[in-house]
Amino acid sequence: RKEVEQDPGPFNVPEGATVAFNCTYSNSASQSFFWYRQDCRKEPKLLMSVYSSGNEDGRFTAQLNRASQYISLLIRDSKLSDSATYLCVVRAAMNYGGSQGNLIFGKGTKLSVKP
Amino acid sequence: NAGVTQTPKFQVLKTGQSMTLQCAQDMNHEYMSWYRQDPGMGLRLIHYSVGAGITDQGEVPNGYNVSRSTTEDFPLRLLSAAPSQTSVYFCASSYTQRTEAFFGQGTRLTVV
Repeated sequence: RKEVEQDPGPFNVPEGATVAFNCTYSNSASQSFFWYRQDCRKEPKLLMSVYSSGNEDGRFTAQLNRASQYISLLIRDSKLSDSATYLCVVRAAMNYGGSQGNLIFGKGTKLSVKP
Repeated sequence: NAGVTQTPKFQVLKTGQSMTLQCAQDMNHEYMSWYRQDPGMGLRLIHYSVGAGITDQGEVPNGYNVSRSTTEDFPLRLLSAAPSQTSVYFCASSYTQRTEAFFGQGTRLTVV
């Protein structure tokens, strides 16, 4: 099983739509969780951290379910500028399987918002 | 605030040539890392450093060397370039291993 799995998409949605991305991770000792956004031919940029209690930043809501090893990202009222690839990122526990707490990236989910 | 700066942005090498990709950060981050990104593969960790003088291998270290003589700089050396090393390379830094990472703009490397 891959360490971080995401549906690659693409998700093609109209402006104003609500879209949800899901991600699963295999290492139950993982300690930190993030969503990054990557525009075409650009570097990944942090969108938001994901906390156990769930967190919201404007139109974006992230949820974490540790029991199911599942992370989600909800985007409400989609904008054209939301078109990008969204990367689910997990930081493994320190000294777990030699990972030394490094970031593990999913392959990303591509979102295309159409007018 | 420059953040993480990578040079060069683009590079074409011939098979067998060597080169160094530069990475510098001005945020006093202890943790720095190098990733490569290939189509359909996601980002894969090449080497990382938890502080000056300390480096370790990631998932795909073969063909690459690193050193960390200062907190600010973390160069990546390709010893003898191969076509399989054609990729986009990203340097990243974070305050600690537990905090979010900030990425440089990337280096697009083609080996012919």
